[in-house]
This record gives sequence, structure tokens and C-alpha cells, in this order.
Amino acid sequence: RKEVEQDPGPFNVPEGATVAFNCTYSNSASQSFFWYRQDCRKEPKLLMSVYSSGNEDGRFTAQLNRASQYISLLIRDSKLSDSATYLCVVNRPSGNTPLVFGKGTRLSVIA
Amino acid sequence: DAGITQSPRYKITETGRQVTLMCHQTWSHSYMFWYRQDLGHGLRLIYYSAAADITDKGEVPDGYVVSRSKTENFPLTLESATRSQTSVYFCAILSTREQLSGELFFGEGSRLTVL
Repeated sequence: RKEVEQDPGPFNVPEGATVAFNCTYSNSASQSFFWYRQDCRKEPKLLMSVYSSGNEDGRFTAQLNRASQYISLLIRDSKLSDSATYLCVVNRPSGNTPLVFGKGTRLSVIA
Repeated sequence: DAGITQSPRYKITETGRQVTLMCHQTWSHSYMFWYRQDLGHGLRLIYYSAAADITDKGEVPDGYVVSRSKTENFPLTLESATRSQTSVYFCAILSTREQLSGELFFGEGSRLTVL
């Protein structure tokens, strides 16, 4: 099982749709979780951290399920500007890579 | 604005040449990272540094050398470039003292092509 795994997509959704991404992680000792957004040919930027209780920021909701070892990102009322690649990031408590990035899920919101 | 700059933004070089990618931060954050991003692999950590004069290997360090003589600079050197090192390189800094939390701020990236 890969350490951090995401469905690469692409997810093609119409404007206004609700879309959800899942990300699974294999290290049960991981404690910190994040979603980053990366626009085409740009650097990744933090979208939101993921807390145990779940958290919401406007149209975006992130949730953590420790028992099943996955995190999710829900985007409501999708906008054209949401088109990007969404990267799941998980900390690795030991070893030579403190933060492990998933390969990303590509979202295209279509008018 | 995290104040992190990378140079050069674009570089074309030939196999066997030495190339240095520069990363500079205007803050004084302790942790700095070098990643490469390739299709099919996502972001992979090359090297990171917890402070001046402290560096550690990441997931894919072979063929690369780093140094951190000053807190604000973290250059990445390809001593003898190979075609497999054609990639987009991102430098990043961590916004808090704690390694495992906080936000990573990335530079705009350096696109390297090795012919």
C-alpha cells in the first residue's frame, strides 16, 4: 500500500456541483494532515489543515477518519476557479521525509 | 508573502555540467526543503535543513548536494547533471518552529532541462 494515495482523476464537474476527494494514508502514527492546492505550472499552496474534529472554510470541508486512515475534502458549489490539482499531505513521524505528498487529484470545473 | 525566491526560474543545461539552484528567504525560518516534481511521481523530497549547518537527506538525494551556511540561503547543486534530473524544483520553508505542523510556503519553482 502506498504511503499516501489519491485518485488522480481528473474529476470533471459542472459549475455548482459538489465534489469530494479522498486520500488514504498507511502510517497509523501520522498526526498532521493537510490539503494543498496547485494550479497549473504554479507552486503548491496550503488550502487547509485537517483536524480530528473536521473543519470547514467556506465552501470547503475537510474531515479525518483515523480508524479507516483517510482524509477527505468536500467542495460545495464548485466554481471555475476551483479547477486545480489538490494534494493530500501527511506527516511521517520518523524517517527521512517529514511530510509526504500524495500525487494529487486533478479537478476541472466546467461552465 | 513568505518572501521565498528561487533562481534561476528556467535553466537549460547539458549532461555532465554542474548546476546550482538558489533558494533565498527574507524571513528567518529554520526549516527549508528542496522538492522535485515529476509527472507520475508527485512531489519528492530531495534534502531538507533544520537550521544553518544542519542538513538531512530526503527521499531522493542521490546526485544532489546542499549547503546551509546562512539561515536565509539553501542552494541545491547538481554536481554532474543527468537527463533524469530534468524536473521542476521547488524550495519551501516551514512557517513554524515545529517540524510537523504549520504551513509550507513554496517558491515559484525552477524548471530545469538537462539535454
